[in-house]
Amino acid sequence: GIQVEQSPPDLILQEGANSTLRCNFSDSVNNLQWFHQNPWGQLINLFYIPSGTKQNGRLSATTVATERYSLLYISSSQTTDSGVYFCAVRKNAGNMLTFGGGTRLMVKP
Amino acid sequence: NAGVTQTPKFQVLKTGQSMTLQCAQDMNHEYMSWYRQDPGMGLRLIHYSVGAGITDQGEVPNGYNVSRSTTEDFPLRLLSAAPSQTSVYFCASSTSQGRWGYTFGSGTRLTVV
Repeated sequence: GIQVEQSPPDLILQEGANSTLRCNFSDSVNNLQWFHQNPWGQLINLFYIPSGTKQNGRLSATTVATERYSLLYISSSQTTDSGVYFCAVRKNAGNMLTFGGGTRLMVKP
Repeated sequence: NAGVTQTPKFQVLKTGQSMTLQCAQDMNHEYMSWYRQDPGMGLRLIHYSVGAGITDQGEVPNGYNVSRSTTEDFPLRLLSAAPSQTSVYFCASSTSQGRWGYTFGSGTRLTVV
């Protein structure tokens, strides 16, 4: 099956700093999602981004499908950004998402 | 509120017991799926369904059973609980394209003793 690797596994930031999270995947995909799992365990969809660039407030994401990677940018980080960020991909319709191992982010005040 | 509802939120089972985790969605989504999340790890797919009457196995299906008789409901059955099934279980739903995102339930924390 498709492999999804995320880096770094852990990240500690001071409030206000910027960060880049990376997701590499081993095969072509028709669906790529970024999720945030908050400290209470709830999974929130951030982006649907199989290719191109999207922005939502302080968060933006870029997927280069031909090179099989995606990046999630967090600017001016806040303590509420803490949690685990997951990348998940789907090879084609009829399949479900395959998740990476996540990046655990801690933002300190 | 529209979304995915999972029950129960917490459960403790003894080894060998059986139980059903409930999942219901009210968004008329075709796709539904069950994942488990072990400490410090990502989510692994257990079973999934692309529509009523259609189910298939994911990455870690052993010890679990599913059925999908309606679009709204997708229960997960543990046949004979084992300590290795201690985990947090998430149910998710989406449209077939997934363009509008995946909606996850709040999870069921299961402990098997």
